[in-house]
Amino acid sequence: GDSVTQTEGLVTLTEGLPVMLNCTYQTAYSTFLFWYVQHLNEAPKLLLKSSTDNKRTEHQGFHATLHKSSSSFHLQKSSAQLSDSALYYCALDYGGSGNKLIFGTGTLLSVKP
Amino acid sequence: DSGVVQSPRHIIKEKGGRSVLTCIPISGHSNVVWYQQTLGKELKFLIQHYEKVERDKGFLPSRFSVQQFDDYHSEMNMSALELEDSAMYFCASSLVTGPSDYTFGSGTRLLVI
Repeated sequence: GDSVTQTEGLVTLTEGLPVMLNCTYQTAYSTFLFWYVQHLNEAPKLLLKSSTDNKRTEHQGFHATLHKSSSSFHLQKSSAQLSDSALYYCALDYGGSGNKLIFGTGTLLSVKP
Repeated sequence: DSGVVQSPRHIIKEKGGRSVLTCIPISGHSNVVWYQQTLGKELKFLIQHYEKVERDKGFLPSRFSVQQFDDYHSEMNMSALELEDSAMYFCASSLVTGPSDYTFGSGTRLLVI
């Protein structure tokens, strides 16, 4: 069935270092992938939405490229900031219909000074 | 635009009790979904309504029912509450069904004791 895998439960980084959060997915459909960010005690907020295959999308300093060949949509940022500390979810638009998103288990990013 | 509004923000109920959660989507958004977040991480899809019609159902317990009204606001009626129902409940809305960008509300924290 359709699924999203985020292998890292916790990523701890020093401020200024690059960020890479992994996301792989499984689906029988042509679909969209999303990254949502959730700060402590807040609602999840859309960070990025995938574009066409092998095209990079960027927002707020973060970027991700959908690679259908490897079923991946990894989130990257060149330099981590303290304010980036949050829970990051990769999500799959199930069936491509937009009816529901299947979320990964989330990766907690902790950025230290 | 006040965003997606959920009420109440926090609620405590006794086991076996009942509760009603309300979600007011962004004006004009007729696509509303509900998610349950447990243990502060996993987001589970519960149900989706579009134009007042149930379109998809996920992990919604049979003890819960959800209705979308003419003004597109949504209510989740929860009965026979169990301890494991303790969670954050988020609703999200989007303009149309299809590969959409959901806007999440701030959530309702339910504690069943």
